Amino acid sequence: DIQMTQSPSTLSASVGDRVIITCRASQNIDNWLAWYQQKPGKAPKVLIQKASVLEGGVPSRYSGSGSGTEFTLTISSLQPDDFATYYCQHYVRYPITFGRGTRLEIK
Amino acid sequence: EVQLLESGGGLVQPGGSLRLSCVASESTFSNYVMHWVRQAPGKGLEWVSVVNAIGAGISYADSVKGRFTISRDNSKNTLYLQMNSLRGEDTATYFCAKEGFSSGRAGGVHIWGEGTLVTVSS
Repeated sequence: DIQMTQSPSTLSASVGDRVIITCRASQNIDNWLAWYQQKPGKAPKVLIQKASVLEGGVPSRYSGSGSGTEFTLTISSLQPDDFATYYCQHYVRYPITFGRGTRLEIK
Repeated sequence: EVQLLESGGGLVQPGGSLRLSCVASESTFSNYVMHWVRQAPGKGLEWVSVVNAIGAGISYADSVKGRFTISRDNSKNTLYLQMNSLRGEDTATYFCAKEGFSSGRAGGVHIWGEGTLVTVSS
């Protein structure tokens, strides 16, 4: 199975900061990577698919990049609504696997 | 946009069984690839299983293979997850989800239900 490693596991930042979350795959997954945001008690919401394609309705301050085994999610200017947990997920083949998550908290 | 509503969760003893259901709000359900994803309390997301639109293409996570069975009834717009031989580590909120994008070999999900909590404990 492909392992997805996210870093950091926790990130403290302030409104207006630029933050970067990293996701590393244990094997080449081309660009078959999605990013999700989850808030407490809620279902996840997909932000980005195919490594860099923003889903409809997702603010442009979110961006994704990478291919192969190294990927990043960037939030250009943090807003209060962005404090949540973020997960990466590959979908190159089954079984699908998620990263363990990055909790983005207010500094 | 389709809405998904899970049911069937609850408290079950180790070794017991439970069947989860997920009802879709639209008859276009029959066109969708559907997934189950779970989340243990305070933990991350774990993909569980997938079934294609006609119920033929099925995959499972190793952690549930041989114990869980995914199925669907398109005439009822309903997805199921039959869970047998339940263990403490199966305790989680179970989400059904509609696939929204694919690599051709696997997919990611873009519409989720609210989830149903399964607790395995004596």
